[in-house]
Amino acid sequence: QVQLKESGPGLVQPSQTLSLTCTVSGFSLTSYNVHWVRRTPGKGLEWMGVIWSGGNTDYNSALKPRLTITRDISESQVFLTMNSLQTEDTGIYYCTRNGWGGITDYWGQGVMVTVSS
Amino acid sequence: DIQMTQSPPSLSASLGDKVTITCQASQNINNYLSWYQQRPGRAPRQLIRYTSSLVSGTPSRFSGSGSGTDYSFSISNVESEDIATYYCLQYDSLTWTFGGGTKLELK
Repeated sequence: QVQLKESGPGLVQPSQTLSLTCTVSGFSLTSYNVHWVRRTPGKGLEWMGVIWSGGNTDYNSALKPRLTITRDISESQVFLTMNSLQTEDTGIYYCTRNGWGGITDYWGQGVMVTVSS
Repeated sequence: DIQMTQSPPSLSASLGDKVTITCQASQNINNYLSWYQQRPGRAPRQLIRYTSSLVSGTPSRFSGSGSGTDYSFSISNVESEDIATYYCLQYDSLTWTFGGGTKLELK
């Protein structure tokens, strides 16, 4: 069945780099787009970026200087890397599958990231 | 990026009430507007896509309407399980944008 699962460090020091992995099963990354969304205390839900099924990427312009999304099709994994983390980046990070018609039908359970020294 | 202005930020309702949330886009988004529910400790759940199409499993007490830059979302006969935060999302452009959210609480 379709599943997405985020993983990564729960604690990151300020100014350091965050690396998260979204491991998917039950579908191919070449058939569906995968988005990253986060919920932070200050902004609620925030769309971060996407890797489209064809491999292109798009990013939230506010995060674009710090954010990179890549994938490994053979391992069914999507990666998020964000540098220069600050306390306001503390929140829950989700990956979600997007197919046709703007539908986001499956989400990971989310991974909590705390930025603190 | 397209900006989404959502109001009100919070809403207090009694069981059985009808509530309405609005979202205004900074430009025409051609009805590419979804609504999401997020309960505490849960991942977001899509309720409505393309302005007014209910996603499979969404109860009929939820509805959406709008066009151009102005959209609305309603819950008729609020139930206790509807207590959550609601967000609009535009997906007209390659970069998506959420509204600021509306927290629905019980009176």
